[in-house]
Amino acid sequence: GAGVSQSPSNKVTEKGKDVELRCDPISGHTALYWYRQSLGQGLEFLIYFQGNSAPDKSGLPSDRFSAERTGGSVSTLTIQRTQQEDSAVYLCASSRTSGSYQETQYFGPGTRLLVL
Amino acid sequence: AQTVTQSQPEMSVQEAETVTLSCTYDTSESDYYLFWYKQPPSRQMILVIRQEAYKQQNATENRFSVNFQKAAKSFSLKISDSQLGDAAMYFCAYRGSFGNEKLTFGTGTRLTIIP
Repeated sequence: GAGVSQSPSNKVTEKGKDVELRCDPISGHTALYWYRQSLGQGLEFLIYFQGNSAPDKSGLPSDRFSAERTGGSVSTLTIQRTQQEDSAVYLCASSRTSGSYQETQYFGPGTRLLVL
Repeated sequence: AQTVTQSQPEMSVQEAETVTLSCTYDTSESDYYLFWYKQPPSRQMILVIRQEAYKQQNATENRFSVNFQKAAKSFSLKISDSQLGDAAMYFCAYRGSFGNEKLTFGTGTRLTIIP
C-alpha cells in the first residue's frame, strides 16, 4: 500500500496477557519508529530502527516492552504481562534516509490497546 | 533535552476565518526541523507542514503557513479560510539533525471549527 499500515486497529486484552502489535512501513523507507500516545503522557517515543543498525531502545518504558524488525521491513512491538497503564494508542511511523524529505516521518493509523 | 510547548489546549474559529496556533520549543542545536501534524478523530497523524531551521523563509502549504522565529524559538501555525475538515488535534513537533531522529511532540491543541 501507499501508506504505513498497522494491525490490529483495536486490541482489548486482559491484564497479564501478552500482545503483539504490527507495523508495515512505506515501501523503501528504511527508518521505522514506534510512539505511544496516552492521556497522561502525551506522545512518547519508544524505539527507532534504522536499516541494519542496532535499534535505539531508549524510549521503552520497561523490560516488558520489546520490538523487532524482520528483513528491514515489518516491525512487531510486543508487550508482555500487560498492565492497565499500558492502555494507549501505539503509533508507528517510517521515513526515508536519503533524498528529499528524509527527515519527515509518516504515520500509520495506530493501534488502540485497552488492558482490562 | 529538547522540549516543545503548546500553550493553547483548545482553540475555536469561525468557518472561513483565520486562526493561529502557538508553539515554542527549547533546544541548544542550531540545525533542526519543525513540523505541524494534524490528528483527526480517525487517529491518523497527518503532516501539515514542515520547516527547516536553516531556511529563513516561512513554509507555506496552501491555506497553512508558519511564522518561524528562530531567535525566539517560536513556530506558530496559521490556518486561513478555516474549513470544517480542519477540526482536529494539532501537534507541533521537533526533530534534531543529528543522531536519533525521533520526534519530540508538544501536548497538542484541539481546534474546533464553528459553522
